[in-house]
Amino acid sequence: GAGVSQSPSNKVTEKGKDVELRCDPISGHTALYWYRQRLGQGLEFLIYFQGNSAPDKSGLPSDRFSAERTGESVSTLTIQRTQQEDSAVYLCASSLVGQGSQPQHFGDGTRLSIL
Amino acid sequence: TQLLEQSPQFLSIQEGENLTVYCNSSSVFSSLQWYRQEPGEGPVLLVTVVTGGEVKKLKRLTFQFGDARKDSSLHITAAQTGDTGLYLCAGGTQGAQKLVFGQGTRLTINP
Repeated sequence: GAGVSQSPSNKVTEKGKDVELRCDPISGHTALYWYRQRLGQGLEFLIYFQGNSAPDKSGLPSDRFSAERTGESVSTLTIQRTQQEDSAVYLCASSLVGQGSQPQHFGDGTRLSIL
Repeated sequence: TQLLEQSPQFLSIQEGENLTVYCNSSSVFSSLQWYRQEPGEGPVLLVTVVTGGEVKKLKRLTFQFGDARKDSSLHITAAQTGDTGLYLCAGGTQGAQKLVFGQGTRLTINP
């Protein structure tokens, strides 16, 4: 498809397990963003990629969270030793270039539930 | 730190009524975007405003960027149940690599 694709759409796992969330951005978009959205809340910035580099990781809440991007395309967000407070929707967005004025195109998110 | 405050946080009105939601900051932005997010989906861009005082219309939705580029408003005329959703404003600045998002206004239009 032409849009941003995220997988899985839903993930239920036990506390303490590791999870990997995947994002396929729009082809040709050099900038990629990860956000967290808790139930009923706005967007919490996690990390920004320009190409395969992450110049801004300031939103990652702890060292249990990491992300990488390869081939200036797919990105994975990994959460190690999950905790119940990690339960949220994780949204990925891409834009043509990494400028604040550029519109961001969002995927439908991965809904993560930690039991 | 740049912040965008949206008000009201929640709004529930009857179909056919008019409403305005606000997005305010003490910081100047070079552009302001409005997104709508429906349940189970990601936010979708509605409009971008870039000039102080700019007004853009999208059918029944009217967006305005403040003269000083610190605030914006979204006015909906004759609201419909399909307008229900979370409305997010996001500010961009020259040289910045990411948008600053407000916390959103959750709008419910009752039939």
